[in-house]
Amino acid sequence: DVKVTQSSRYLVKRTGEKVFLECVQDMDHENMFWYRQDPGLGLRLIYFSYDVKMKEKGDIPEGYSVSREKKERFSLILESASTNQTSMYLCASSQNPGQATGGDTQYFGPGTRLTVL
Amino acid sequence: AQSVTQLGSHVSVSEGALVLLRCNYSSSVPPYLFWYVQYPNQGLQLLLKYTSAATLVKGINGFEAEFKKSETSFHLTKPSAHMSDAAEYFCAVSRAVSGSRLTFGEGTQLTVNP
Repeated sequence: DVKVTQSSRYLVKRTGEKVFLECVQDMDHENMFWYRQDPGLGLRLIYFSYDVKMKEKGDIPEGYSVSREKKERFSLILESASTNQTSMYLCASSQNPGQATGGDTQYFGPGTRLTVL
Repeated sequence: AQSVTQLGSHVSVSEGALVLLRCNYSSSVPPYLFWYVQYPNQGLQLLLKYTSAATLVKGINGFEAEFKKSETSFHLTKPSAHMSDAAEYFCAVSRAVSGSRLTFGEGTQLTVNP
């Protein structure tokens, strides 16, 4: 079975802190994704990566950055946390490489609930 | 741009009743369509997906969905609800040209009453 793990289930930070959210997948997947989930808004894509050291902006990248130094690990960084970044953050991975495949399944981690005070 | 709309943020059914969760999509090219489920305090899990093969797609836990191009719909159904089906359900769409990117609907919270 595919396993996607996230470093913390719950996290509380203060405004202005630098926050790192870590995600690791164990199935050698090419693609990795970061979403945030808010009530009534569904999941919105923040950043994604098709390969090591490669990243692309999603729909709501402002205030976030990412790092993918190794294939299995994809980190989300909040450079200076703000209260409007309080949310559930979900990481996902999928197998098929490149941009030509639209039907591959994304596998999700359990999520990190971040509260910024 | 592609998008999905889920009609009804909350749906409540009795145990044993039909479950119908509605999803309509918008896409300028043939879409790939997904239904995911999220149980409390967990990540999302794939229920089923449509990838241009059979229009009636069967998934896990007795769920199925039918792709109807003329109605731009991909509604999720289950003949008989079980208490364990209580969860949040998300419809999502992707296109071949966008790679693996998914666009999610707002979600529908399903409550099953005894």
